Amino acid sequence: DAGVTQSPTHLIKTRGQQVTLRCSPKSGHDTVSWYQQALGQGPQFIFQYYEEEERQRGNFPDRFSGHQFPNYSSELNVNALLLGDSALYLCASSLARGAGYTGELFFGEGSRLTVL
Amino acid sequence: AQSVTQLGSHVSVSEGALVLLRCNYSSSVPPYLFWYVQYPNQGLQLLLKYTTGATLVKGINGFEAEFKKSETSFHLTKPSAHMSDAAEYFCAVSEGYSTLTFGKGTMLLVSP
Repeated sequence: DAGVTQSPTHLIKTRGQQVTLRCSPKSGHDTVSWYQQALGQGPQFIFQYYEEEERQRGNFPDRFSGHQFPNYSSELNVNALLLGDSALYLCASSLARGAGYTGELFFGEGSRLTVL
Repeated sequence: AQSVTQLGSHVSVSEGALVLLRCNYSSSVPPYLFWYVQYPNQGLQLLLKYTTGATLVKGINGFEAEFKKSETSFHLTKPSAHMSDAAEYFCAVSEGYSTLTFGKGTMLLVSP
């Protein structure tokens, strides 16, 4: 049973560029969340996708956008990159509320973005 | 709004000693509580969780935590530390829709 997979694992961009990060959820999961983890900090919630729509959003600017596809996989896009966007971006999958819901998130190993 | 406070950014113990990592939360509704562990350059792995029912929950690798509503705490313990426990530990709270609010983390250092 494949867990949550993310790509790429590492990437380097320059200020002003755009980046796309990809995530495939754990088999059977229908909800994907994205978190940003800056160095030495805990993960911070960016947004969550369910049924191909953004369901909840954290305190992140509109430069951060996402998408969920019919197969539940997801992309995170960041435009006009800033130095402060350098971080580990974590994707997490879960089941929506209902049968089997536990509130538990399963995390991928992350995509480490460095902005120069 | 929910929040998590982890007391101590670093905790040092000797191998074989008791591990105690502290977590206090605030939540406007009965919370779901979690402890995750992160090894260097890796994602987060769930150690244990509290949703409802028994307030003492047991997790993987010999860790356990007790939910104390009156103290709004969910401290993580392990009776005897092992070198392989050295990692960063995150406490998190959820009020619904599977979104987690994390603490800033506690780095556990284990010395021989």
